[in-house]
Amino acid sequence: DIQMTQSPSSLSASVGDRVTITCRASQSISSYLNWYQQKPGKAPKLLIYAASSLQSGVPSRFSGSGSGTDFTLTISSLQPEDFATYYCQQSYSTPPVFGPGTKVDIK
Amino acid sequence: QVQLVESGGGVVQPGRSLRLSCAASGFTFSSYGMHWVRQAPGKGLEWVAVIWYDGSNKYYADSVKGRFTISRDNSKNTLYLQMNSLRAEDTAVYYCAREGVVVVPAAMMRDYYYMDVWGKGTTVTVSS
Repeated sequence: DIQMTQSPSSLSASVGDRVTITCRASQSISSYLNWYQQKPGKAPKLLIYAASSLQSGVPSRFSGSGSGTDFTLTISSLQPEDFATYYCQQSYSTPPVFGPGTKVDIK
Repeated sequence: QVQLVESGGGVVQPGRSLRLSCAASGFTFSSYGMHWVRQAPGKGLEWVAVIWYDGSNKYYADSVKGRFTISRDNSKNTLYLQMNSLRAEDTAVYYCAREGVVVVPAAMMRDYYYMDVWGKGTTVTVSS
């Protein structure tokens, strides 16, 4: 199975900050990478699919990049509603493994 | 609107069985693959199983293979997860999710899959 790692595991940031989260796959997955946001007690929400395509309705401050094994989720200007945990997930092969998550909280 | 509603969770003793349901509405259920994803208390997301739009193919995580069965009834717009021989480590919130797809016309390339609609989850607690 493909393994996914994320860094950092958590970070503290302020409103307005630019935030970058990294996801790495154990083998090349081309651009078959999705990003989800989850708030406490809520279901995950799809943000980005195919590494860089913004899901409908997701604010443009979210962007994704990368290909192969290394990927990045960037929040250009952190908003209060963005404090959450973010997961990457590979869709190159079954099982569709999730990364361990990155928790973004308030500094 | 597009919606998924899980039900069937509860407290069950180790070794017993439970069946979860996921009722879909607002979209053509029979056109989409469907997943179950779970989240143990304080932990991350763990994929459990997927079933193709027509039920013709099913895949499972190693952790549940042989114990869980995913199925669907397209006439009822409902997805199921039959969970047998439950263990303490199966304690989690169970989510159903719709599989979105971007079809890639180019040869030798795979389609892009993602989970674009999620239910609110149902909680399963395995405890004596």
